[in-house]
Amino acid sequence: AQKVTQAQTEISVVEKEDVTLDCVYETRDTTYYLFWYKQPPSGELVFLIRRNSFDEQNEISGRYSWNFQKSTSSFNFTITASQVVDSAVYFCALGSGNTGKLIFGQGTTLQVKP
Amino acid sequence: EAGVVQSPRYKIIEKKQPVAFWCNPISGHNTLYWYLQNLGQGPELLIRYENEEAVDDSQLPKDRFSAERLKGVDSTLKIQPAELGDSAVYLCASSRGQAGDTQYFGPGTRLTVL
Repeated sequence: AQKVTQAQTEISVVEKEDVTLDCVYETRDTTYYLFWYKQPPSGELVFLIRRNSFDEQNEISGRYSWNFQKSTSSFNFTITASQVVDSAVYFCALGSGNTGKLIFGQGTTLQVKP
Repeated sequence: EAGVVQSPRYKIIEKKQPVAFWCNPISGHNTLYWYLQNLGQGPELLIRYENEEAVDDSQLPKDRFSAERLKGVDSTLKIQPAELGDSAVYLCASSRGQAGDTQYFGPGTRLTVL
């Protein structure tokens, strides 16, 4: 069975702090895809990043970085120098390489205080 | 490029009434998804279309939910009759069509059943 676990329900930090959101997944697929989405208070899910199971290179995009480790089945997301606008719910999702079906974690609510 | 469009954004109805949600995917996207998002949880897939064909409707409660995607573009999700437990956000997403392609989400319809 496929499963995504985001153990951190809520995180609160002060602006400019670094914060890491954890994501652990389970799958039997050899080909799969991992995603992070941001859901601000407006409600729309905003795509942040997609990785496939064959590409373990870490990625950095501005203040965002992602650490994909197949050995620990983790795909963690770090925000450097957090800002108030980063406050949102962040979802990690696992996509099947066969069906494309997305399984989402429960989400982590990030609150960045000024 | 226009994103996924959904309407209405909000809907309040009384239980036992019917309700319908409409979705227009990103132009050129063959695959369309309907998700249900309960408060404090990640989205869960209800149905997936590839062009006009519903290829995965295993999670759709068929006694009261129905969906259609005529001509392989717009889609409508219907609930009849609505129950109190149907109060949630209904999200539509689309992707190009290959397994693992990024799914782009619309703003969702927030349904309240009284």
